[in-house]
Amino acid sequence: DTAVSQTPKYLVTQMGNDKSIKCEQNLGHDTMYWYKQDSKKFLKIMFSYNNKELIINETVPNRFSPKSPDKAHLNLHINSLELGDSAVYFCASSFRAGPDEQYFGPGTRLTVT
Amino acid sequence: AQSVSQHNHHVILSEAASLELGCNYSYGGTVNLFWYVQYPGQHLQLLLKYFSGDPLVKGIKGFEAEFIKSKFSFNLRKPSVQWSDTAEYFCAVYGNNRLAFGKGNQVVVIP
Repeated sequence: DTAVSQTPKYLVTQMGNDKSIKCEQNLGHDTMYWYKQDSKKFLKIMFSYNNKELIINETVPNRFSPKSPDKAHLNLHINSLELGDSAVYFCASSFRAGPDEQYFGPGTRLTVT
Repeated sequence: AQSVSQHNHHVILSEAASLELGCNYSYGGTVNLFWYVQYPGQHLQLLLKYFSGDPLVKGIKGFEAEFIKSKFSFNLRKPSVQWSDTAEYFCAVYGNNRLAFGKGNQVVVIP
């Protein structure tokens, strides 16, 4: 059973388009995260939700909007995509908001042309 | 804000060689430290973590790390690597309700 899953795995789209990435965890965790990994493999937190409530909102363009319909899902919607948005986006979850082990999804490689 | 520095971003070594990856952190609060690994084509997974107690922490697959408070370091070691240890290794520190990752070490083990 996949603990943290993301769809799609690959996403190729043109500048200006709007796209969404979905994330689901079946671990019963309370907290979920979105990370962006750039071309140099640097991993940076974007958002975090705890029990469907936004608790971390890093300095991210407001074209990025997370949505958590329930504790098991955290989706990422991106408007007006730009070349610089090309990256690998990782979803993760943890039992609670705190220094717990985070379980990562397989990543979504977004390429904006 | 907390930060992590990892050096020697690309490491190439032969099987059976010893591996040590350096990690220095900056954070003024209670320290919680992690090493994550990303094998080729796979997701990140936890290797080991330090919260408190014995500063020598043992993780999966024969890895260990030593927390040295005076040096703000949490170096990762493995005495004898295998080809299957080829991966990207990330050190991370928890603080301000978030994990801050270092830029990673790409380790290639030659058979």
